[in-house]
Amino acid sequence: VQVVQSGAEEKKPGASVKVSCKVSGYSLTEVSIHWVRQAPGRGLEYMGSFDPEDGEIINAQKLQGRITLTGDTSTDTAYMEVTSLRSEDTAVYYCATATKIEVPAVDSWFDPWGQGTLVTVSS
Amino acid sequence: QSVLTQPPSVSGAPGQRVTISCAGSSSNIGANYDVHWYQQLPGTAPKLLIYGDTNRPSGVPDRFSGSKSGTSASLAITGLQAEDEADYYCQSYDSSLSGHVFGDGTKVTVL
Repeated sequence: VQVVQSGAEEKKPGASVKVSCKVSGYSLTEVSIHWVRQAPGRGLEYMGSFDPEDGEIINAQKLQGRITLTGDTSTDTAYMEVTSLRSEDTAVYYCATATKIEVPAVDSWFDPWGQGTLVTVSS
Repeated sequence: QSVLTQPPSVSGAPGQRVTISCAGSSSNIGANYDVHWYQQLPGTAPKLLIYGDTNRPSGVPDRFSGSKSGTSASLAITGLQAEDEADYYCQSYDSSLSGHVFGDGTKVTVL
């Protein structure tokens, strides 16, 4: 079971970024996908969740309107796009999977995690 | 500031026992949502340490244990080792925010 993310990105303020998250060892529809970011020297911040099986999305209130979560079940890859980037969006972005077997979505734990994708927003 | 409050740091000598608290409210831990704990070593992705309040994934030493009572949860590390020096985060679900939440994190230092 592995989760591999796309590489580092450098963007200018106002631009958009799309990070990919490929799962292997199981089908994307067997898990839920969760996105978490960590600004330099800061703690973990939950961004949102996506269920590839039914398309259900939960977005953190702070990022409402700027984040889009999608998935491609043919390639077992999930995506997170953040628009209207600001300097404070500079962070390492992680995706993680969660089992759906006998676990309600609200009680999900995140395991395994991807290696992280550094997104730098600077003019 | 997160809705789950953790102490910024705890420390202990090798072999000692340390505990990390995670204080919540009636909309998260107090609503009986599960609490999970993660360990993050410097420069690495977080790793699941405890899930479902008290359960250890395969491979996690039994020196790590979790508990929950009322609106709070705790992580205990017994027989502290140098390799336990890391940041630790609690995670739960918050019904007011309609999403998962993390604590602010606690840095464990082995003296």
